[in-house]
Amino acid sequence: EAQVTQNPRYLITVTGKKLTVTCSQNMNHEYMSWYRQDPGLGLRQIYYSMNVEVTDKGDVPEGYKVSRKEKRNFPLILESPSPNQTSLYFCASRTPATGVYNEQFFGPGTRLTVL
Amino acid sequence: AQSVTQLDSQVPVFEEAPVELRCNYSSSVSVYLFWYVQYPNQGLQLLLKYLSGSTLVKSINGFEAEFNKSQTSFHLRKPSVHISDTAEYFCAVSGRGSTLGRLYFGRGTQLTVWP
Repeated sequence: EAQVTQNPRYLITVTGKKLTVTCSQNMNHEYMSWYRQDPGLGLRQIYYSMNVEVTDKGDVPEGYKVSRKEKRNFPLILESPSPNQTSLYFCASRTPATGVYNEQFFGPGTRLTVL
Repeated sequence: AQSVTQLDSQVPVFEEAPVELRCNYSSSVSVYLFWYVQYPNQGLQLLLKYLSGSTLVKSINGFEAEFNKSQTSFHLRKPSVHISDTAEYFCAVSGRGSTLGRLYFGRGTQLTVWP
């Protein structure tokens, strides 16, 4: 089954404790992206990647890091989480990265709470 | 860059009533337009999209949206809603010819259908 998976689905942590949210897709998609969803703000893009080793900032990158060492994986890293990063996070992927539009597939979401 | 405005954050309606969820966008280039739906505790699903051709697009569950270039709008309508349509709806835009493939989302409209 074609899908985007995220782990963990739920996470409660404390300020300053490094964490990683994993994202994996099995569709050989080039383009991957992370969004955060906050009430009243919709979805905002954090980082995106056009392909392996190619990443760039979205609209709200502060406090986050990403890496794209393999095509299928695009982990989101919070080096020192803070309470304002409490949010619902979505990973998404599509192909191709450029040109003709193709649907962007979303993962199920990761609900993060930083105390 | 593109931006999306969803004019209503909450839309309560009774079952079998018609509904319209409003979406306006701004862009300096031609666009692709989308409506995504998020059911409670789930990820985002593509509801319908406008890429080109007929300005009226329809989903399999009775929703439709019309692209109006002069008014820069892409309102979502359904003539008779069901309780199962209760969800949050997001309008999104992507610039044509963009090498980034980025989606810009509105803030969302919570549709609540009452019996």
